[in-house]
Amino acid sequence: QVQLVESGGGVVQPGRSLRLSCAASGFTFSNYGMHWVRQAPGKGLEWVAVILYDGSDEYYADSVKGRLTISRDNSKNTLYLQMNSLRGDDTAVYYCAKGDYSGYDGGIDYWGQGTLVTVSS
Amino acid sequence: QSVLTQPPSVSAASGQKVTISCSGSSSNIGNNYVCWYQQLPGTAPKLLIYDNNKRPSGIPDRFSGSKSGTSATLGITGLQTGDEADYYCGTWDSSLSAGVFGGGTKLTVL
Repeated sequence: QVQLVESGGGVVQPGRSLRLSCAASGFTFSNYGMHWVRQAPGKGLEWVAVILYDGSDEYYADSVKGRLTISRDNSKNTLYLQMNSLRGDDTAVYYCAKGDYSGYDGGIDYWGQGTLVTVSS
Repeated sequence: QSVLTQPPSVSAASGQKVTISCSGSSSNIGNNYVCWYQQLPGTAPKLLIYDNNKRPSGIPDRFSGSKSGTSATLGITGLQTGDEADYYCGTWDSSLSAGVFGGGTKLTVL
């Protein structure tokens, strides 16, 4: 069965960096686009970024462009989110999510359990 | 302010039917497939409907989806207390080159 396990969350000061990881199993990771979606406490879902199946292209929400970078290592079945210049409004649960095909504009069919990132001094 | 517009809350009695609307534009719902997700309290979202109206295996046929023009609708029949959750619509926006979600709708079963 599909499993997505995020790690790397925690408390970080404003302006600092953090890297999230997502270990994928139960499907052929290198065949699917992958997403990050976040949810601030008590708020709705916010799409963050997507990367194509082979890592050849990425797309970002305007709110994170230039600060957050999505990447993947298909040899390790792992998705990453490098988070730089963190701000208070980046505080959220970050979900790793599997796309339903190889591209970037499809839906999401599986979600991880999420990892909490808290940006605070 | 979300790109896709959903009612903040809906409610209906147990056993009854409810619909949740999701309104967008030609750059998102009008030209891309819509998904619906259910988020039970304290858990990760789960896919309910994909490609506008298809159900993944394991999702009961009490859940249905439809799309017309720039709007989509989720229908739930035979409401149960276990259906109390937040429901989100989502799609791709071709003008923004970004994924977009509705603000979410909280379902209360009376």
